[in-house]
Amino acid sequence: EVQLVESGGGFVKPGESLRLSCAASGINLANAWVSWIRQAPGKGLEWVGRSRRMSDGGAIEYAASVKGRFFISRDESQNSLKLQMDSLKDEDTAMYYCVTGSFWGQGTLVIVSS
Amino acid sequence: DVVMTQSPLSLPVTLGQPASISCRSSQSLVHSDGNTYLYWFQQRPGQPPRRLIYQVSNRDSGVPDRFSGSGSGTDFTLKISRVEAEDVGIYYCMQATHWPPWAFGQGTKVEIK
Repeated sequence: EVQLVESGGGFVKPGESLRLSCAASGINLANAWVSWIRQAPGKGLEWVGRSRRMSDGGAIEYAASVKGRFFISRDESQNSLKLQMDSLKDEDTAMYYCVTGSFWGQGTLVIVSS
Repeated sequence: DVVMTQSPLSLPVTLGQPASISCRSSQSLVHSDGNTYLYWFQQRPGQPPRRLIYQVSNRDSGVPDRFSGSGSGTDFTLKISRVEAEDVGIYYCMQATHWPPWAFGQGTKVEIK
């Protein structure tokens, strides 16, 4: 059974940083394209970014709203994906989901507020 | 960027009756490889989204056959043949033909009358 488990969310102030992690079981993330998608409270879904598998070039793409502040990386030793979030803004407050194919994690909540 | 527009945004339905959600894209979703990367997701209250349909009309594993997807080009539809209580939630369409970024519709809230 495929499971994705996000962690690392929390309460931070504007301008601070946070690092999210997506740990996988039942699937080798090294062979998968993996995305981060977020959902602000009471709002719709917003794609944040995606990491292609290395066999497809390994490129990483970001939404314009986070480009230059968020950075996706892989940790193959832990079968996980990371999302480094710097210079956080109030509008980054959201549940952050890790997604690959049809599989979604339960999400981790990030709250940015002064 | 591609814009996805869903209608209606709210859909009250009677149990056992059909329901239909429309999704329109600002440009054709036919990829140069011939495929159309249009997806449908269901989000039940308090739950993460769940993919129901991929590439317009293919049901994901475990999805009841009362759900069906259709359409082409810029116009797509999700139909529920007979609504059940567990179908309450918000439904999103999403395109992955033109990326980045993937683009989601605003969501359609399905509730029981």
